[in-house]
Amino acid sequence: GAGVSQSPRYKVAKRGQDVALRCDPISGHVSLFWYQQALGQGPEFLTYFQNEAQLDKSGLPSDRFFAERPEGSVSTLKIQRTQQEDSAVYLCASSLTSYEQYFGPGTRLTVT
Amino acid sequence: GENVEQHPSTLSVQEGDSAVIKCTYSDSASNYFPWYKQELGKGPQLIIDIRSNVGEKKDQRIAVTLNKTAKHFSLHITETQPEDSAVYFCAPNSGYSTLTFGKGTMLLVSP
Repeated sequence: GAGVSQSPRYKVAKRGQDVALRCDPISGHVSLFWYQQALGQGPEFLTYFQNEAQLDKSGLPSDRFFAERPEGSVSTLKIQRTQQEDSAVYLCASSLTSYEQYFGPGTRLTVT
Repeated sequence: GENVEQHPSTLSVQEGDSAVIKCTYSDSASNYFPWYKQELGKGPQLIIDIRSNVGEKKDQRIAVTLNKTAKHFSLHITETQPEDSAVYFCAPNSGYSTLTFGKGTMLLVSP
């Protein structure tokens, strides 16, 4: 079946612009996670949803980062007033059990 | 929070050799121990995992072993093939659902 999809795959933003990154999880997966992966590093946790409820947002690096999942399916990660340090790959993962997490291909964000 | 270390950071083997990557963690509450494979330009792919009540799990050429007392688990790949070349991450969970990833091991399999 279809895996996790993310769009756009690549995004270039000028410093100060707002961006919105979309994640379509595997159908029926109640848990959804966002991770940030810097070049040459492992993914780092940003936030976690169970259905539409955001249960953990402890990994969001600043109040410029905001995530939502209003209907318990598609999720959007929004970054306001982007900075150069926000340049990274943003990964979305979904899970049926909260253990096995299945990742999308990621969105590579470059802030110039 | 969970501290995760992977060794080695890079590993070069000849095709057909075995490869072993070790992961140590700090949180004794961790109870789920997955390994992910990430190829260039792709998201991490879950390749094998183990729960804390099991010491070893095998799936064809890959296996994972867990030593909960010593807080480490290892990925074993036998009969390596060039297509095994990728970055491998361990990612023990830290209490409930959040995965804490190691820094990764780049495996290069030469034909």
